Amino acid sequence: AQRVTQPEKLLSVFKGAPVELKCNYSYSGSPELFWYVQYSRQRLQLLLRHISRESIKGFTADLNKGETSFHLKKPFAQEEDSAMYYCALMNTDKLIFGTGTRLQVFP
Amino acid sequence: DTEVTQTPKHLVMGMTNKKSLKCEQHMGHRAMYWYKQKAKKPPELMFVYSYEKLSINESVPSRFSPECPNSSLLNLHLHALQPEDSALYLCASSPEPYGTGVSRRAFFGQGTRLTVV
Repeated sequence: AQRVTQPEKLLSVFKGAPVELKCNYSYSGSPELFWYVQYSRQRLQLLLRHISRESIKGFTADLNKGETSFHLKKPFAQEEDSAMYYCALMNTDKLIFGTGTRLQVFP
Repeated sequence: DTEVTQTPKHLVMGMTNKKSLKCEQHMGHRAMYWYKQKAKKPPELMFVYSYEKLSINESVPSRFSPECPNSSLLNLHLHALQPEDSALYLCASSPEPYGTGVSRRAFFGQGTRLTVV
């Protein structure tokens, strides 16, 4: 079965600290993976997708097929990064979300 | 226009009411989705429309009835809902369905917050 696991419900860091939000997946084929972010009172929006290997707002994520992981990283967290982050996997027409990690960045 | 627009933003309905949620996109996307999101939970897929045809129904109760009148519009008709159906209902769209080789990133609307009393 396809599944996305985000083991941390809450991650709290101070401004300027490195951040890593963990995501592991189970999928039998070649996965298409995404990170979505939901800022307070804003719509869910795409942050990153693995196929484009881009860096958005300083965040990067590398697909590790051996470890079936797609962790989200940022070297120096900012207060405005505080939000809910969802890792997601695209399977046929379904976008399957993990349970989410709330990132709190303290000043 | 690069947004998915949902109306209404808020809806309160009784268990005997019939109401509809509306979703609109003018980006030429050919796949549209309904998701349900309960508080502090991830979005859960309900329905997928590909090229205006229902392609996925995630065993959603029949009191929820989707409709895709054209490629820009997606409706969700509600009838005889229960209080536990109260949630944020999200609409999303993507350029193409799976398998076409085209980017499948999903654009989400802001949602309709539904309260069933």
